[in-house]
Amino acid sequence: SQKIEQNSEALNIQEGKTATLTCNYTNYSPAYLQWYRQDPGRGPVFLLLIRENEKEKRKERLKVTFDTTLKQSLFHITASQPADSATYLCALGGSSNTGKLIFGQGTTLQVKP
Amino acid sequence: EAGVAQSPRYKIIEKRQSVAFWCNPISGHATLYWYQQILGQGPKLLIQFQNNGVVDDSQLPKDRFSAERLKGVDSTLKIQPAKLEDSAVYLCASSSKTTGTEAFFGQGTRLTVV
Repeated sequence: SQKIEQNSEALNIQEGKTATLTCNYTNYSPAYLQWYRQDPGRGPVFLLLIRENEKEKRKERLKVTFDTTLKQSLFHITASQPADSATYLCALGGSSNTGKLIFGQGTTLQVKP
Repeated sequence: EAGVAQSPRYKIIEKRQSVAFWCNPISGHATLYWYQQILGQGPKLLIQFQNNGVVDDSQLPKDRFSAERLKGVDSTLKIQPAKLEDSAVYLCASSSKTTGTEAFFGQGTRLTVV
C-alpha cells in the first residue's frame, strides 16, 4: 500500500541554523509533491509545489528537492527563526487526473532563540 | 479574497448521535476536499469533489459518513451514528484545478465524541 513517512520525532534547532525535513514515500509515483505548514488549531497552509521533472525549487528562505529515484523530498529552511516553529506536512499529488492529495504525518519543528 | 469557511468550529456529541459539518469553498474553486485529522497524524482524505461530482471517496466509511456538494459550491459532511474514534478535526479544502495546484484549507471543525 502507499506509504509516506516523515520524521516522527520533533526537530529542535537553534535560531539561524538550517532546518532539514525529510519526506520518503513507497509504492507511489506522484506527479508532484507539496509542502504545507500547520500551526496548532489551524488548517495547513501551502508553501511550495515541486513537479516530478523538477529537481529543486526555492522560495525566499525555503528550498525543496525532489528525487524520484530515491523516492524522497527534502525541505530546507535556511536562517531559521522562532516564528518558523510549526508542523510541516508533505503531500503527494497523484499521477492520475483525480488530483488526490495524500499527506504524511508531519514533522514538528521547534526553533529556539 | 475570502478563504475557505467552515462551521461549526467545535462540536461535542455523544456516541451514536449524528453531526453535520458545513464548508463554503473559495469562490470559483471547482475541487473540494474533506479531510479527517486525528491528533498527531496527518490529514486523511475522506472525499474529493469536482464540481458536484465525487472524484474519490475510497476512504470514506460509507456506513456512517456521507457528503454532498450542492450545486458545486457548498458542501456538508455528515456522520451518523458517531463513534468515539471519530473524534478528530475535520478539514475542508478547495483548489482551482483538479490536479497540480495548491489546496486552500479552512480552520477545521474539532469534533469530540464522548
